[in-house]
Amino acid sequence: NAGVMQNPRHLVRRRGQEARLRCSPMKGHSHVYWYRQLPEEGLKFMVYLQKENIIDESGMPKERFSAEFPKEGPSILRIQQVVRGDSAAYFCASSLTRTGAPNEKLFFGSGTQLSVL
Amino acid sequence: SQQGEEDPQALSIQEGENATMNCSYKTSINNLQWYRQNSGRGLVHLILIRSNEREKHSGRLRVTLDTSKKSSSLLITASRAADTASYFCATDPILTGGGNKLTFGTGTQLKVEL
Repeated sequence: NAGVMQNPRHLVRRRGQEARLRCSPMKGHSHVYWYRQLPEEGLKFMVYLQKENIIDESGMPKERFSAEFPKEGPSILRIQQVVRGDSAAYFCASSLTRTGAPNEKLFFGSGTQLSVL
Repeated sequence: SQQGEEDPQALSIQEGENATMNCSYKTSINNLQWYRQNSGRGLVHLILIRSNEREKHSGRLRVTLDTSKKSSSLLITASRAADTASYFCATDPILTGGGNKLTFGTGTQLKVEL
């Protein structure tokens, strides 16, 4: 049973380009979360999605950032017109259930390191 | 400000010693979780403790939770070099209405030397 798969592992973009980060959750998981981690910092929540629905995007910048989790295929985090400040590690996590279910926890992917030149 | 803040920021110990990390948070929670992150990798879930629990064990890990002080501690006994990693606490605040909107602290960097 493969874990959470993220690709690419490393992504280099020039300022103004678009970045697309992909995440395939664990098999059977329908809840996906995106987090951003800056160097020497903890993870900051960005967005929570279920299949075809954005549940909570309160942590995602309103400009240039968007996320989707289509019925078929991976979840995509899209950053348009990237700037140097977008450079960070972006982690995806998935879970089987919502909060409150017994033994609930998040399973994380290995992350995508985005570098904006 | 951070919902979860770990203390100390960095900890260096000898193999075989115990390592204790603390976490403080600000709001009421459903549960508190500890994760480990090796350099350049994703986080791995270690242990979850619910708000109505006070202590939990898993192998060499022992977690305590004091909801009156809004704090938790993670104890790793008989540490090994392989325990070298960053450790994060994450809280599931009640006010988020569910959905695993975990809030992570800035982490404790643990280094276990031979």
